[in-house]
Amino acid sequence: ELKVEQNPLFLSMQEGKNYTIYCNYSTTSDRLYWYRQDPGKSLESLFVLLSNGAVKQEGRLMASLDTKARLSTLHITAAVHDLSATYFCAVDEGGTSYGKLTFGQGTILTVHP
Amino acid sequence: EPEVTQTPSHQVTQMGQEVILRCVPISNHLYFYWYRQILGQKVEFLVSFYNNEISEKSEIFDDQFSVERPDGSNFTLKIRSTKLEDSAMYFCASSVQGSKTEAFFGQGTRLTVV
Repeated sequence: ELKVEQNPLFLSMQEGKNYTIYCNYSTTSDRLYWYRQDPGKSLESLFVLLSNGAVKQEGRLMASLDTKARLSTLHITAAVHDLSATYFCAVDEGGTSYGKLTFGQGTILTVHP
Repeated sequence: EPEVTQTPSHQVTQMGQEVILRCVPISNHLYFYWYRQILGQKVEFLVSFYNNEISEKSEIFDDQFSVERPDGSNFTLKIRSTKLEDSAMYFCASSVQGSKTEAFFGQGTRLTVV
């Protein structure tokens, strides 16, 4: 059974600081997603990572994937208050899984002035 | 931009009642999913549906749950006899080709069982 573990689960940051959220998964994966969720809202897709060494950047967020280590990171650069949200990674096992996603527990990010 | 739409956005029901949550997937998508998220917890897979049948389901998706695509556009999740622990946000998602393509999520239905 695929397990997806995120850490940290809670992250309190000051504006302007950098930090990294880690996502480890237990089996080989077809692709990995990062989502943002605001309270009471749906899942906003941030990044899709398809292959080993993939790196994607959007604004202050950068995601990377190391399939050999079964690790993805979401790096936050110079955090701003608007980035406060819950961030989830999700793994698609591929194969016969028909696109089923297994989610990490989520990281609640709070950015303070 | 095409999107997955869910109705209602919020439903309150009494324990033991049946509820039907509705979803309209993106029109050219072939794979459909339901996920749930209990308040403050992670998103959990319930079921995937392709070619008018369930392709995979989780342990959560027991005999109280069923899915249907009644008319070629809607995709529904029925809970036959709701329990307090069914209270959660339920997300519908759809994708073009299953594991080879990204799934797009609806805005969710918040189900509250009282």
